[in-house]
Amino acid sequence: EVQLLESGGDLVQPGGSLSLSCAASGFTFTIYAMSWVRQAPGKGLEWLSVVSNSNGSTYYADSVKGRFTISRDNSKNTLYLQMNSLRAEDTAIYYCARGSSAIPQGVFDIWGQGTMVTVSS
Amino acid sequence: SFELTQPPSVSVSPGQTASITCSGNKLGDKYVSWYQQKPGQSPVLVMYQDNKRPSGIPGRFAGSNFGNTAALTITGTQTMDEAQYYCQAWDSNTAVFGGGTKLTVL
Repeated sequence: EVQLLESGGDLVQPGGSLSLSCAASGFTFTIYAMSWVRQAPGKGLEWLSVVSNSNGSTYYADSVKGRFTISRDNSKNTLYLQMNSLRAEDTAIYYCARGSSAIPQGVFDIWGQGTMVTVSS
Repeated sequence: SFELTQPPSVSVSPGQTASITCSGNKLGDKYVSWYQQKPGQSPVLVMYQDNKRPSGIPGRFAGSNFGNTAALTITGTQTMDEAQYYCQAWDSNTAVFGGGTKLTVL
């Protein structure tokens, strides 16, 4: 079964850091670009970042550029999101999503169940 | 920056046709995808490359994209189609989502 499983969500203080993971299974992870998308409580979807299949290309939304870093370990079939300088407005469910191809600009055809990040003092 | 605009809500009676629009500058020059999200669940891809249905998506779902407007049309809408729908396109290396449309079937 094709599956993405996020972990690492937690309650963190403003200014703090957090690292999210997304474990992939059921497909050849190395073929696909991967993205992070978040959803604040009661709000819509916001794309955050994408990494190409080989870690060669990464792109970020302006809202997280310079604070968040996307990476992947193809030997572990795992996607990561390092989040620094967290703000209250970063509070959201964070989803990882598989792109439909190796290049970043693919379709999000598989989504994880999400992990909740709460930024609050 | 590139933006996608959707109506906040659309209502339809069961068995009727629902149309959800998504507007953006020269959107017809880009590929549009659509995602369905039901309460408490993760989004699900229901349309890609404007008018292609992923495996498992019923034939009552159809898509179009021309000019500045894309549309997701559901023919013979069922109560199970009640959900939030998001359009999405890529602007260079940035993925952009529309604000979402709540489809109510009543």
